[in-house]
Amino acid sequence: QVQLQQSGPGLVKPSQTLSLTCAISGDSVSTHSAAWNWFRQSPSRGLEWLGRTYYRSKWHNDYAVSVNSRITVTPDTSKNQFSLHLSSVTPEDTAVYYCAREPATTAFDVWGQGTMVTVSS
Amino acid sequence: EIVLTQSPGTLSLSPGERATLSCRASQSISSTYLAWYQQKPGQAPRLLIYHASTRATGIPDRFSGGGSGTDFTLDISRLEPEDSAVYYCQQFDPSPRWTFGQGTKLEIK
Repeated sequence: QVQLQQSGPGLVKPSQTLSLTCAISGDSVSTHSAAWNWFRQSPSRGLEWLGRTYYRSKWHNDYAVSVNSRITVTPDTSKNQFSLHLSSVTPEDTAVYYCAREPATTAFDVWGQGTMVTVSS
Repeated sequence: EIVLTQSPGTLSLSPGERATLSCRASQSISSTYLAWYQQKPGQAPRLLIYHASTRATGIPDRFSGGGSGTDFTLDISRLEPEDSAVYYCQQFDPSPRWTFGQGTKLEIK
């Protein structure tokens, strides 16, 4: 049974970098048959896909245009996890953040528990 | 950018009834790229349907998806109180980008 466990701070100051980690159990971040994604959800923006990382003989990343200049999603094979880094945050980045697995179905079948992140001084 | 519009915004039904939720795309999309999720308060979304009509693992056959082109539906038969939730449709376009509809809130009276 695949599980994703999120960790990271719930409060980030404006202009700083938001960093969250998603630990994987029951699967591998290096698998050739899935990609590892980050989302966020807020009342104003709804559910929003942010980016992903995946391994197909080498590492690949894709990012949403809305955050492309500020986002990095990185794998950590030694800990079997992946991380989100979102720089230069503003209060508009306040949201619940989720990680999720995407097998070869263009849908997301396993989700982390969610992390409420507030951007405030 | 493909926009997904869900209707109705809120649906209030009784146990045992049937719910039909609609998801309309601003342009034609492949059925391969259409999925449905259920989200209850304080929880992450749960995958119900992918490829427009394939039930995810463990999803009861009361849930069924259909449609093609720009119009897709999620049907829930024999409603149970536990079906109260917000339901989202989601599509993929190869930018790559995934987008979601704004959600339909289903209330079981």
